[in-house]
Amino acid sequence: AQSVAQPEDQVNVAEGNPLTVKCTYSVSGNPYLFWYVQYPNRGLQFLLKYITGDNLVKGSYGFEAEFNKSQTSFHLKKPSALVSDSALYFCAVRDGWSNTGKLIFGQGTTLQVKP
Amino acid sequence: DTAVSQTPKYLVTQMGNDKSIKCEQNLGHDTMYWYKQDSKKFLKIMFSYNNKELIINETVPNRFSPKSPDKAHLNLHINSLELGDSAVYFCASSQLYSNTGELFFGEGSRLTVL
Repeated sequence: AQSVAQPEDQVNVAEGNPLTVKCTYSVSGNPYLFWYVQYPNRGLQFLLKYITGDNLVKGSYGFEAEFNKSQTSFHLKKPSALVSDSALYFCAVRDGWSNTGKLIFGQGTTLQVKP
Repeated sequence: DTAVSQTPKYLVTQMGNDKSIKCEQNLGHDTMYWYKQDSKKFLKIMFSYNNKELIINETVPNRFSPKSPDKAHLNLHINSLELGDSAVYFCASSQLYSNTGELFFGEGSRLTVL
């Protein structure tokens, strides 16, 4: 069965500092991994994904994430946080062997960037 | 141009009523989904259709009935609404067998049952 864990309910960083939002996963087959962001009263916006290839993937708004197979992790990072990055972030996993495309989401991490 | 659009955006109704939420996508995708986001922001998949065929049916009460008239539309009908049905319902779409796999989400429909 697929599962995703985001161990932190909230991450607080100062503007200009680097940020990391943690994610670990469990799947039976090859993992397809995703990060989404949700602003208040909005839908989920796709940030980036790992399907195959380079372990470091770059996405929208300066975010990147590193796939670590041995640690089954896919942490989201940004070198310099902006106040406008404050939002709810979701990690998601799809089993690459799945024929349904189902994404399983983590419980979400609220990122608070303070000026 | 909205890629995945849902209507209505807000829905307030009484317990016991029946209501529907509609979803349309103009991305040419072949697969559509309904997710439920509860008050703690947890997202749980409910249903998925691929080319009008039901492919995911999670443990959802049978008061919830999805309908897909064509691959661009997926509606959700809920009978005998209960307080616990209050949530935000998100529609999403994807191209199932592409090598990308990300879902594109609508803006959500906030259902409040009184």
